[in-house]
Amino acid sequence: DTAVSQTPKYLVTQMGNDKSIKCEQNLGHDTMYWYKQDSKKFLKIMFSYNNKELIINETVPNRFSPKSPDKAHLNLHINSLELGDSAVYFCASSQEVHPGETQYFGPGTRLLVL
Amino acid sequence: DAKTTQPPSMDCAEGRAANLPCNHSTISGNEYVYWYRQIHSQGPQYIIHGLKNNETNEMASLIITEDRKSSTLILPHATLRDTAVYYCIVRGYTNAGKSTFGDGTTLTVKP
Repeated sequence: DTAVSQTPKYLVTQMGNDKSIKCEQNLGHDTMYWYKQDSKKFLKIMFSYNNKELIINETVPNRFSPKSPDKAHLNLHINSLELGDSAVYFCASSQEVHPGETQYFGPGTRLLVL
Repeated sequence: DAKTTQPPSMDCAEGRAANLPCNHSTISGNEYVYWYRQIHSQGPQYIIHGLKNNETNEMASLIITEDRKSSTLILPHATLRDTAVYYCIVRGYTNAGKSTFGDGTTLTVKP
């Protein structure tokens, strides 16, 4: 049973296209996150939703739009893809936003923009 | 937010204990120490976390010094599958939802 799952695993697309990445968690958590890992392997938070409400929105271009249809799902839509968007995107979840609450990560979506 | 410092790489013989250090000298009283690892660009895998006391689970032990300025992750019997990049991060109330992974330690377990 995969706790946090993402689709697709790989995504290769052309500059200027619009694409979506989906995330689902079956842990019953209230909070979900999107992280970006760049080529230098630094992992940084992008967004977080708690009970379908946006609670963390880091300095991310507004071409990136998260959507949470329910507590178990958090999708990431990216408009007008650019070369610099190439990265690995990880979804994560936790019960709540508390420093003592563990975040569990998905397997990642490898995005390559050509 | 407290920053962490880890050695860039370490080797360990298979079957021996792997001791991975982390320095977090600016940690504040309400910040937790977390350890994750990442194998071959898979998703970060949670290992263990603690606040003040030492912790142990089925994967590892976490030893936090009394002044909380450093910690050590112990994998008691390392296997080849433990080869990975290990990240020590600190999270408190100001960055509760934000796990920022830096360089980490690349642990290589050798036969």
